[in-house]
Amino acid sequence: EAGVAQSPRYKIIEKRQSVAFWCNPISGHATLYWYQQILGQGPKLLIQFQNNGVVDDSQLPKDRFSAERLKGVDSTLKIQPAKLEDSAVYLCASSFLSSSSYNEQFFGPGTRLTVL
Amino acid sequence: RKEVEQDPGPFNVPEGATVAFNCTYSNSASQSFFWYRQDCRKEPKLLMSVYSSGNEDGRFTAQLNRASQYISLLIRDSKLSDSATYLCVVTSGNTPLVFGKGTRLSVIA
Repeated sequence: EAGVAQSPRYKIIEKRQSVAFWCNPISGHATLYWYQQILGQGPKLLIQFQNNGVVDDSQLPKDRFSAERLKGVDSTLKIQPAKLEDSAVYLCASSFLSSSSYNEQFFGPGTRLTVL
Repeated sequence: RKEVEQDPGPFNVPEGATVAFNCTYSNSASQSFFWYRQDCRKEPKLLMSVYSSGNEDGRFTAQLNRASQYISLLIRDSKLSDSATYLCVVTSGNTPLVFGKGTRLSVIA
């Protein structure tokens, strides 16, 4: 079974530039998550989608970050403009359902962003 | 107080040793608990869930103490391949997963 796909794997940009990341979840997974993992930290949830609706974006810095999942399948996360502190690995994860019970989240390989 | 706290380590242990990690959480309403493993420059992967009665999977044993709000992971007979960062994860049902910073383990030959 194919896992969660992400691209690009690496990206280097200068501060104030824009960048976009793409994620394709495991087929049939209704729930998609974007996490930010800064070096030496655990992943922090940025946004959670169920199908094409946002479930939780309380930790998304909405002044510069945006995400969409228009058709309820793949998703893009954009940063505009980027700051130095955005340097991190951006992980996408998906799970079969999101309900009151836990469903295992499967992570993609991540996109490593360096902002200079 | 951070929601999930772990000793970052590193824990450097010889092959064959037994090592234990602890994790504390602040939200008493937390319902589900997990240990994830993350290899260097790789994505996190679920290692095991943690049940109230404690659970074992081969060389790995996870325990939960709700009264003291801590979770533990015990690894027996450590292998070189166990070298990784172990992330403690907590959720309150349908709320987002909250990850600790992770504990780094290095198993040395």
